Amino acid sequence: SQQGEEDPQALSIQEGENATMNCSYKTSINNLQWYRQNSGRGLVHLILIRSNEREKHSGRLRVTLDTSKKSSSLLITASRAADTASYFCATGSGNTPLVFGKGTRLSVIA
Amino acid sequence: GAVVSQHPSWVICKSGTSVKIECRSLDFQATTMFWYRQFPKQSLMLMATSNEGSKATYEQGVEKDKFLINHASLTLSTLTVTSAHPEDSSFYICSAPNLAGLVGSYEQYFGPGTRLTVT
Repeated sequence: SQQGEEDPQALSIQEGENATMNCSYKTSINNLQWYRQNSGRGLVHLILIRSNEREKHSGRLRVTLDTSKKSSSLLITASRAADTASYFCATGSGNTPLVFGKGTRLSVIA
Repeated sequence: GAVVSQHPSWVICKSGTSVKIECRSLDFQATTMFWYRQFPKQSLMLMATSNEGSKATYEQGVEKDKFLINHASLTLSTLTVTSAHPEDSSFYICSAPNLAGLVGSYEQYFGPGTRLTVT
């Protein structure tokens, strides 16, 4: 079963704007990960944030985690057309399967 | 980083035939692999957990007799879709955790996926 929801389900922005996607989950976690998937392609791991971290950066990506609210957000700054993809959060660790959110389909218009 | 491969990357088959999809960990041993299925515009859903040397465990609603999993070695798991039907058309993705990696390394490594189309 899926862990939670991504919000929004679809997002369309202009190139150069920032894109924010939110993810909620239901159970306690050790970490949360974000993935990108281009249409019809495999997953690309973007970033992992541990449960004891509140914020993490990687290039134009900024991830926050609020374990009290069981939510995370992914911010992509200065978006580019190449950022057009679906973005999924996922929970799980070690030898357990990942549980994915429903995903946000991001369209960046040049 | 660790690499997981899948073969084939895409396959088209006729209804009623069987299709085998391979998932290989290329530079690490994987005692466990996971198989996911993704329908268009949907998220990944876990189908089954493949365990080397033992039977796979299937998620509720996944027919074990239809989706045969064999974890033949520490680097290879296969998913066979038997008597495929058009509703089995989907994107199948495997993943493998590298437990020999860094302590506290939680990342799983995903294969590139296999697009199955049943006509």
